[in-house]
Amino acid sequence: GQQLNQSPQSMFIQEGEDVSMNCTSSSIFNTWLWYKQDPGEGPVLLIALYKAGELTSNGRLTAQFGITRKDSFLNISASIPSDVGIYFCAATGGSNYKLTFGKGTLLTVNP
Amino acid sequence: DAGITQSPRHKVTETGTPVTLRCHQTENHRYMYWYRQDPGHGLRLIHYSYGVKDTDKGEVSDGYSVSRSKTEDFLLTLESATSSQTSVYFCAISDPGQMNTEAFFGQGTRLTVV
Repeated sequence: GQQLNQSPQSMFIQEGEDVSMNCTSSSIFNTWLWYKQDPGEGPVLLIALYKAGELTSNGRLTAQFGITRKDSFLNISASIPSDVGIYFCAATGGSNYKLTFGKGTLLTVNP
Repeated sequence: DAGITQSPRHKVTETGTPVTLRCHQTENHRYMYWYRQDPGHGLRLIHYSYGVKDTDKGEVSDGYSVSRSKTEDFLLTLESATSSQTSVYFCAISDPGQMNTEAFFGQGTRLTVV
């Protein structure tokens, strides 16, 4: 089946630092999505990418849809304590719209 | 939240008992999904539905069944719960179009099988 390899698994950073995480796959996808999950909550959509090569920003977040359609990255600039949480990449391809998720990146921000 | 309600939010049940989790949406979205979340595994798709009475299996469907008799409700049933089904279950909805395959999640149901 389709798998997304998300890295790193966890990150410990200082407030103010920039963060980068990525997802790769051997499969081609039509859409890449990035979610954030806070403890006890469901994942919340951060950024959606629909076109190969697309670079999209949402505040301090920037994400790119890889040109090969097999990867995506998410950058967070100038991290703050409320950025703490689990970040998931997700992707879908083909006509069945099944959404496949990476295993997540746990981000800890030290004040 | 995108008009998604999961019930119950927490449940403890005994091994071998049947359990049904409910997902209710008010967005009239065509697709509905059930995922389970476990440490080290992320979110794994159990079953999904692409319309009333139209469902298909995900990657971890064994031991689970689903039903969708109307657009707004998607039920997940564990016919005979096992301890390996202790998990947090999330429902999601989407209404895919040419440029929109975003999925929105409910708040989750924490199920413990003892």
